[in-house]
Formats: sequence, C-alpha cells, structure tokens
Amino acid sequence: GAGVSQSPSNKVTEKGKDVELRCDPISGHTALYWYRQSLGQGLEFLIYFQGNSAPDKSGLPSDRFSAERTGGSVSTLTIQRTQQEDSAVYLCASSFPPGQVVSQANYGYTFGSGTRLTVV
Amino acid sequence: AQSVTQPDIHITVSEGASLELRCNYSYGATPYLFWYVQSPGQGLQLLLKYFSGDTLVQGIKGFEAEFKRSQSSFNLRKPSVHWSDAAEYFCATTDSWGKLQFGAGTQVVVTP
Repeated sequence: GAGVSQSPSNKVTEKGKDVELRCDPISGHTALYWYRQSLGQGLEFLIYFQGNSAPDKSGLPSDRFSAERTGGSVSTLTIQRTQQEDSAVYLCASSFPPGQVVSQANYGYTFGSGTRLTVV
Repeated sequence: AQSVTQPDIHITVSEGASLELRCNYSYGATPYLFWYVQSPGQGLQLLLKYFSGDTLVQGIKGFEAEFKRSQSSFNLRKPSVHWSDAAEYFCATTDSWGKLQFGAGTQVVVTP
C-alpha cells in the first residue's frame, strides 16, 4: 500500500483480556519494527522482523507479548492477559533493510499512525 | 551501543523566531541520523536524515540539520517558526539491524 496501515486505531480492553494489533507495511519493505510509546516513557523498541523471522525481539517487555509476521507482509502483535501498564500507543514502522539500501534516497522508516491501547 | 541524547525536554519559542533543537549521538563510526516530528495525536513523520556526504541536510517544512562529528551533534534548525511547528521532535540513530534508537524527545511550544 501507499503507507503503513495499523488497526485498530483505538482499542479499549479489560484487564486480563488478550488483544491483537495489526500492522500492514509498505509493499516491498521487508523490514518491520514495532515500537511502544507510553506517556512519559518515550519511544521503546519492541521487536524487529526481517521477512518472517525476528532476529531481534529484545524489546518485548514480558512473555505476555508476542509477535508474528506471515508472508513477509502483515504482522500481528499479541498481548496476553493485558495489564494497565500495557496502556500505550503501539507504533509499527517498515523499511528496506540496511543490506538492501542502495542509496540515501531509499533508506528510511515509514511509521503507521499507531494503535492506542487502553487497558481498564 | 548507538544512542542519541536530546538535552532539552521542553522549548518555548515565539512565532517567527528561530528554533534550534539539540541532539548528541554516541557512536564510533559515522552514524545514520534522523529527525522525526510528531504532532498531537499524529504518527511520526520524517523531517530529514543523514548518512554521509554533505554535513548540512535539508528537510521538509523548512527544517535543516547539521552533522558535526567534532561535537557528536546533529542539531535541527528552522529560521522562522510557524504555529504549526508546535509538536514533539525526536532525534534517532540506527544500529546494524536498522533498529531506530530514539532520543527522549523535545516538546516545542510556539507562542503568538
């Protein structure tokens, strides 16, 4: 698509429920990243995908968080047994991976508008 | 590890005045550096990026940034600020995976 699409844009869930957040990257961007933006916490890296594999998942805060990517395209971030501290904006970005960068012009990260998750 | 620091959490500037936002990086080799802007309730928009070559980089919305290796800095500037420039600004750098590491951000308030 023309941009990175995230859904839903807003999600309110009850504590203890599971949620799934979706990211549809730009066509051709094989690298995909998830970030979390909490109030007063800045932008926190969660996980990186290259194709369908995740070489860096060091930012996932607990085993309640998982993510997958299928077909080298859409990615889903799942939070199980949500807690109030999970409330944040979850951002997805896509790019060409560094190894495929052939010029400064084609290197960059495009972010989606995010999913605002509120756990009540 | 690569990182960036934004020393100023909050800046207030008058409309029409100049703006400079500071960013210091920590990395041995030439880093990839970025500036993003986030308006209230909006996603992140890329203002400009630096890889190599000319140390003065022009971006969108009239912004520019200068890479200074001797000072480990990549400060963002705009000669004349508009009310629509009120937003949060993030400096970022990347590791070998391409993972963006963000600074804490600088909130810019524009007064009439």
